[in-house]
Amino acid sequence: RKEVEQDPGPFNVPEGATVAFNCTYSNSASQSFFWYRQDCRKEPKLLMSVYSSGNEDGRFTAQLNRASQYISLLIRDSKLSDSATYLCVVIVGGSQGNLIFGKGTKLSVKP
Amino acid sequence: NAGVTQTPKFRVLKTGQSMTLLCAQDMNHEYMYWYRQDPGMGLRLIHYSVGEGTTAKGEVPDGYNVSRLKKQNFLLGLESAAPSQTSVYFCAISDANTQYFGPGTRLTVL
Repeated sequence: RKEVEQDPGPFNVPEGATVAFNCTYSNSASQSFFWYRQDCRKEPKLLMSVYSSGNEDGRFTAQLNRASQYISLLIRDSKLSDSATYLCVVIVGGSQGNLIFGKGTKLSVKP
Repeated sequence: NAGVTQTPKFRVLKTGQSMTLLCAQDMNHEYMYWYRQDPGMGLRLIHYSVGEGTTAKGEVPDGYNVSRLKKQNFLLGLESAAPSQTSVYFCAISDANTQYFGPGTRLTVL
């Protein structure tokens, strides 16, 4: 089983749609969780951290379920500019040398 | 790019040639990383450094060497390039739990 697994995608949705991405991790020693966004032929950039209590940033909501070892990202009212690949990232054991990236899920928002 | 630069941006090598990729930061962060990204494989850690003069192996270190002689620079070397090293290479620096990536180097080995 891979350490961090994401929905394979691609997700093709119309503008205004709500879309949800899921991510599961296998290492119970994972301590920190993030979503990154990567545009085509660009570097990954931090979208948001994920906390146990859940957190929201505008149209984006991230949730963490430690018991199920599951992370989610919800995008509401999707925009054309949301088109990108979304990467789930986990830090294992609290060490900054132990970041594990998922392979990413590609989102394409159509007019 | 949060003060992370990479040189060169593009390079084409022949099998067996050597080269060095340079990552430079102006943010004074201790942690620096080298990743490679391949289609269908995601980002994989090659080597990382927790401070000046220190380096450590990541997930895929074979065929690469690194050096961190100065805090602001992290060098990635390929002594004898192979076609399997064709990839996009990203450098990153870390501030607590946030990583900032450089713009990447696209390397093709023929």
